[in-house]
Amino acid sequence: GDSVTQMEGPVTLSEEAFLTINCTYTATGYPSLFWYVQYPGEGLQLLLKATKADDKGSNKGFEATYRKETTSFHLEKGSVQVSDSAVYFCALSGIAKVEKLVFGKGMKLTVNP
Amino acid sequence: DTEVTQTPKHLVMGMTNKKSLKCEQHMGHRAMYWYKQKAKKPPELMFVYSYEKLSINESVPSRFSPECPNSSLLNLHLHALQPEDSALYLCASSQALGQGDGYTFGSGTRLTVV
Repeated sequence: GDSVTQMEGPVTLSEEAFLTINCTYTATGYPSLFWYVQYPGEGLQLLLKATKADDKGSNKGFEATYRKETTSFHLEKGSVQVSDSAVYFCALSGIAKVEKLVFGKGMKLTVNP
Repeated sequence: DTEVTQTPKHLVMGMTNKKSLKCEQHMGHRAMYWYKQKAKKPPELMFVYSYEKLSINESVPSRFSPECPNSSLLNLHLHALQPEDSALYLCASSQALGQGDGYTFGSGTRLTVV
């Protein structure tokens, strides 16, 4: 079945550091790929998405490119801020008629001033 | 309106109580979902509604009973829960099934069963 593997952390960075969170997937066909962020005590927010190969999703300085050849969707940000401290989930939705989001295990990021 | 609204935000209930969680969206989305999230874990799918009809039940115990009275509302009725059911319950919606656009999540109801 479809699955997502991502870095689990936790990871602690200093403000303005470079961030990469690796995500790889296994799926039949061409799934849509997502990054969700969950701030403490809140629900999940869609951070960015890509629906086909070579698409680049971007939002709030974060970027991720849908790489079909490596089945990856790594999240990057050039300079993190304290406000980026959160849990980040990589997810995919398959092409089946009944859509179901499959999540990675999540990675907790803490950014220190 | 681009939000999914969940009430209440916090709920404490005894094992013999009956309570309901509510979820509302006014984005015209026709698919709605209930997820359960335990601490430090990803969300787990419980139910999927499509056009107000139950489409998926992920083998959820019958003490959880979903209801979709109309296209904007989704309820989760709770009865005779166990302490291990304590979790964050998330509602989500999407335009329709199979669109691949992702979900809009609510902020969740944090449920504690005592």
